[in-house]
Amino acid sequence: TQLLEQSPQFLSIQEGENLTVYCNSSSVFSSLQWYRQEPGEGPVLLVTVVTGGEVKKLKRLTFQFGDARKDSSLHITAAQPGDTGLYLCAASNTGKLIFGQGTTLQVKP
Amino acid sequence: DSGVTQTPKHLITATGQRVTLRCSPRSGDLSVYWYQQSLDQGLQFLIQYYNGEERAKGNILERFSAQQFPDLHSELNLSSLELGDSALYFCASSVRTLSGELFFGEGSRLTVL
Repeated sequence: TQLLEQSPQFLSIQEGENLTVYCNSSSVFSSLQWYRQEPGEGPVLLVTVVTGGEVKKLKRLTFQFGDARKDSSLHITAAQPGDTGLYLCAASNTGKLIFGQGTTLQVKP
Repeated sequence: DSGVTQTPKHLITATGQRVTLRCSPRSGDLSVYWYQQSLDQGLQFLIQYYNGEERAKGNILERFSAQQFPDLHSELNLSSLELGDSALYFCASSVRTLSGELFFGEGSRLTVL
């Protein structure tokens, strides 16, 4: 059983479409991070959310932390081929930083 | 470039063998983390060191061991290798333990034949 459940697992969309990916848990976290991983590379941090209900924007990416700090979402507006990659959420649990299984996003031109 | 260096990038070996993966953290980072990434298991936390001492342990097999040296570089030793050990092994570093951003290396791809 994954502590962090991400959905969907795979997403293939056309350039210009909007999308939302989710990261859910039954546990409460003090903070949650989102990373993006491209083929052949390690994950790179996109954002850290700390406060319940917090919304952070990074250009066309909008991140939200749930009010109860158990879940988070990532919304991408007008997706571009450069957004293609594996999106991972991560949170600290019993002294370890654990990751969800990830959402693989493919944006077709 | 994250500043974290991992060697080797690729490694092909046979079952039963032993390999050592090496990681140099970013300059100034005291914490080193090891993760295993496979298609079916995702990114799994193995172990974390902070300034030479083990800080947290995940689902690391007894056949695997790691250490962090005084110069802060770290090594992950994998022994009695099995086919299922084939995976990408990532090292990450951070300034402190579990605070802020983890910086990942490009990974070492291990193939066990």
